Amino acid sequence: AQKVTQAQTEISVVEKEDVTLDCVYETRDTTYYLFWYKQPPSGELVFLIRRNSFDEQNEISGRYSWNFQKSTSSFNFTITASQVVDSAVYFCALSEDTGFQKLVFGTGTRLLVSP
Amino acid sequence: DVKVTQSSRYLVKRTGEKVFLECVQDMDHENMFWYRQDPGLGLRLIYFSYDVKMKEKGDIPEGYSVSREKKERFSLILESASTNQTSMYLCASSLARTIPMNSPLHFGNGTRLTVT
Repeated sequence: AQKVTQAQTEISVVEKEDVTLDCVYETRDTTYYLFWYKQPPSGELVFLIRRNSFDEQNEISGRYSWNFQKSTSSFNFTITASQVVDSAVYFCALSEDTGFQKLVFGTGTRLLVSP
Repeated sequence: DVKVTQSSRYLVKRTGEKVFLECVQDMDHENMFWYRQDPGLGLRLIYFSYDVKMKEKGDIPEGYSVSREKKERFSLILESASTNQTSMYLCASSLARTIPMNSPLHFGNGTRLTVT
C-alpha cells in the first residue's frame, strides 16, 4: 500500500529564515509520481511540483527547491528566505502510474511565517 | 486558467438529510475527483470518475455516491448525512493519461459541510 508521511505538523519561522518541510513515502511501485501542493487560507490547493520516480534531479524554482532521494524515500521541500505569504498548509502526495492521478496525500504541514 | 467551481462554500445539514455537493470544471478535463479533508488525516479520496457515467471507488466511499451525467459536472451525494461526515470536501479535475506531463490536479475552493 502507498503511504505518505509528513511528520512535522506545524512549523513556525520568522521571515527570511530558510525552512525545510519533510516528506517520506512508501510504495512498491517502480514507477510513481510525487507532488507538493500548497493550501493557503483561501482553501484551494495549488500545485507546486511533480516529480516522477526516474528523475532524481533536484529542482529549484525561485525561492523553492525540492530534494528527491530514492535511497531514503524522501521528497523534501525547502523555502529559502521565507515570506509571510508562504504561510499555508503544504501537502506532499504520491501517485501510482495508473494514469488517473489518484493521489495519496500526507497529513500536511502548517507553515507559519511571522514578520 | 482552469476553473473548478464548487457550488457552496459552507453548508449546514441535519442528520438523515440527502445532501448534494456540486462541482463544475471548465477545461474539458476527463478525470474528476472528490476528496475529503480532515485535521490530522490530510486528504482522502472518496470517488473519482474518468469519463461520463463512469465512476470508481476511492479509499473511503462508504456513505457516499457520485453522479457524472455531463463531462463538466461531478456530484457527490450523501444519501443520509451523518455527523461523522462533517468535513471539508474538495473537488478536483485533471486531463486524461494520454496527455503528456504537466497535467496536475486542479482543485476547487472546497465546501465545508456541517451535519448537526
